[in-house]
Amino acid sequence: DAGITQSPRYKITETGRQVTLMCHQTWSHSYMFWYRQDLGHGLRLIYYSAAADITDKGEVPDGYVVSRSKTENFPLTLESATRSQTSVYFCASSAWTVNTEAFFGQGTRLTVV
Amino acid sequence: DAKTTQPNSMESNEEEPVHLPCNHSTISGTDYIHWYRQLPSQGPEYVIHGLTSNVNNRMASLAIAEDRKSSTLILHRATLRDAAVYYCILSPPSSNTGKLIFGQGTTLQVKP
Repeated sequence: DAGITQSPRYKITETGRQVTLMCHQTWSHSYMFWYRQDLGHGLRLIYYSAAADITDKGEVPDGYVVSRSKTENFPLTLESATRSQTSVYFCASSAWTVNTEAFFGQGTRLTVV
Repeated sequence: DAKTTQPNSMESNEEEPVHLPCNHSTISGTDYIHWYRQLPSQGPEYVIHGLTSNVNNRMASLAIAEDRKSSTLILHRATLRDAAVYYCILSPPSSNTGKLIFGQGTTLQVKP
């Protein structure tokens, strides 16, 4: 189906484990983004990517790693999960920069125990 | 980056118009004004955006002040489904990244 999809929708993991959140979009959008949303902090940008093999840090990148080997995929990896990374994670994509809309996925609710 | 200021919450009655204000007194001449909303348990969704002129689409209207230091999102007839958090975001083309920096937004309650 066309659109932007995130997987898994829900994940429980233990402290110290590596976990990867997947994001896939079917529009061939150049730009992709990862956000986290916590109560009291709103949505905060973790990493973004302007094209395949081009990534850059956002507001809260510590503890996260991203890659973008293909235009349509933008996985987010927590190398050693911590409880403070318990959050809802949203992936987004957009075709251009400022004069266009971004499309968001449904989110992944991650709980680190 | 220029900052936006929105009221924390607003209430509206169903089928009445809603005017959601946003102040952005430090906006630069090339910053676009974007509005997104987030329904409960969903990802944000695009509502509208503009630069200088007022904009209309099927969801809403965007009224931009002549000095661009403020803008207003107008929902012409609020429905219960419009209850959401509404975010006003500035996007500078100079950043060339398309990234959106979200503030706290305005939580809109719609009463039947």
